[in-house]
Amino acid sequence: QVQLVQSGAEVKKPGASVKVSCKASGYTFTNYYMHWVRQAPGQGLEWMGIINPTGGSTSYAQKFQGRVTMTRDASTSIVYMDLSSLTSEDTAVYYCARDRAVAGIGDFQNWGQGTLVIVSS
Amino acid sequence: SSELTQDPAVSVALGQTVRITCQGDSLRTYYATWYQQKPGQAPALIIYGKNNRPSGIPDRFSASYSGNTTSLTITAAQAEDEADYYCNSRDSRDSSGYHVVFGGGTRLTVL
Repeated sequence: QVQLVQSGAEVKKPGASVKVSCKASGYTFTNYYMHWVRQAPGQGLEWMGIINPTGGSTSYAQKFQGRVTMTRDASTSIVYMDLSSLTSEDTAVYYCARDRAVAGIGDFQNWGQGTLVIVSS
Repeated sequence: SSELTQDPAVSVALGQTVRITCQGDSLRTYYATWYQQKPGQAPALIIYGKNNRPSGIPDRFSASYSGNTTSLTITAAQAEDEADYYCNSRDSRDSSGYHVVFGGGTRLTVL
C-alpha cells in the first residue's frame, strides 16, 4: 500500500533553515506529483508547492517563493522540502501529500504523518 | 487569506443532515476536493471530482455544485463525523495550472 513516511520533529532558531524529508513507497514514485502542505497550530491547511518526481520541476506558492526549495531523489523515492529564513510564523506541522491520480493535481489521496517544526529562540 | 471561503463552524444534531459550503472563483473551472481532519491526524480525502468517494468513505458524504460554490452534504450525521472539513481545488488564478488553494476549514460539531 502507499506509504509516505516523513522525517522527525525539528526545533530551529529564527533565521535558520529546515529540511524535511518524505519517503514514498508502495507505488511508482515518478508517476505522481507530490505536494507540501503545512498547518500552523490551530490553523487551517496551507499549500506550499508541488514537485514533479519525474524531472524534479517545481512550482511554489507565491508566499513561499524565494524561501522554499523542493527536491527529490528518484533513486530512493524521497522528496525534500527546504524552508529558509525561518520565523516563529513558520512553526507548523508540515505534510507531504501525493496526488490521487497520475497527472492529476489537487486530490491529495495520501498524506505523510506530518513533521512538526518549531521555530523558537 | 484563502481564495476558497468556508464557514468557520457548523453544528448538526445527531442523525440530521448538514451542508458545508466552499465558495470561490476557482470552482467555476475546477472541481473541489473535500478532506476530513480529526485532532492529531493528517487530513483524509473524502470527496473528489464531481462527487466521488474513495473506497471506505461512507455514502452519507456527498458533494454538489452551483456556480462558484460547492457543498459537502453529510446525511444522517454520526458522532464520528465531528471533525474539521477542508475544501481545496486547483487555483484558477495561476496560469501554470499547478497551484492549489485550500479553504479555511469548517469545524463541524455533532450535537
